[in-house]
Amino acid sequence: SQQGEEDPQALSIQEGENATMNCSYKTSINNLQWYRQNSGRGLVHLILIRSNEREKHSGRLRVTLDTSKKSSSLLITASRAADTASYFCATDPYNNNDMRFGAGTRLTVKP
Amino acid sequence: EAGVAQSPRYKIIEKRQSVAFWCNPISGHATLYWYQQILGQGPKLLIQFQNNGVVDDSQLPKDRFSAERLKGVDSTLKIQPAKLEDSAVYLCASSPHLWDSGYEQYFGPGTRLTVT
Repeated sequence: SQQGEEDPQALSIQEGENATMNCSYKTSINNLQWYRQNSGRGLVHLILIRSNEREKHSGRLRVTLDTSKKSSSLLITASRAADTASYFCATDPYNNNDMRFGAGTRLTVKP
Repeated sequence: EAGVAQSPRYKIIEKRQSVAFWCNPISGHATLYWYQQILGQGPKLLIQFQNNGVVDDSQLPKDRFSAERLKGVDSTLKIQPAKLEDSAVYLCASSPHLWDSGYEQYFGPGTRLTVT
């Protein structure tokens, strides 16, 4: 069964705008990761945030984690057409080794 | 550094036939994963190896799926016999350490399987 659930399922924005995607999960976790998938490059790791961290930045990406609400958000600032892809959160349940992906958010950035 | 290699990239078979996928992880990576990704869904973990031992195969349909990682390097995933619902992309990933150490996974391009 899938642990993470991304919201929204699909998001369409104009180039230059910010995009925010959310992820909710059900059980306690060790860490949470965000991945991007597009047809050209496959599934690529973006950022990892540990359960004792609240916010992390990487370039135009900002990830937050709220363990009390069992949720995370991914913010992409100043979006580009090349950011068009599906974005997945993946969690590592605290008492289980297997990584679980959500169904993803499909982001479309219009030039 | 070479990435995770998978072959074939595409495969079309009829139901009840057998198929095998091959994966070569990044050199030195101890952990290898096989995922199934059905269209419109996120990847679902099938099996996880640490070197040549199985760490987790709880979601592997063992009546028809099998996987091995001989010598702790390359791995093969086999489906025998295939069903229509096995149509999916099969992704291989590797990581230098176990997932719960907090290391990212590096994914291969996947094998797109169509069962007719």
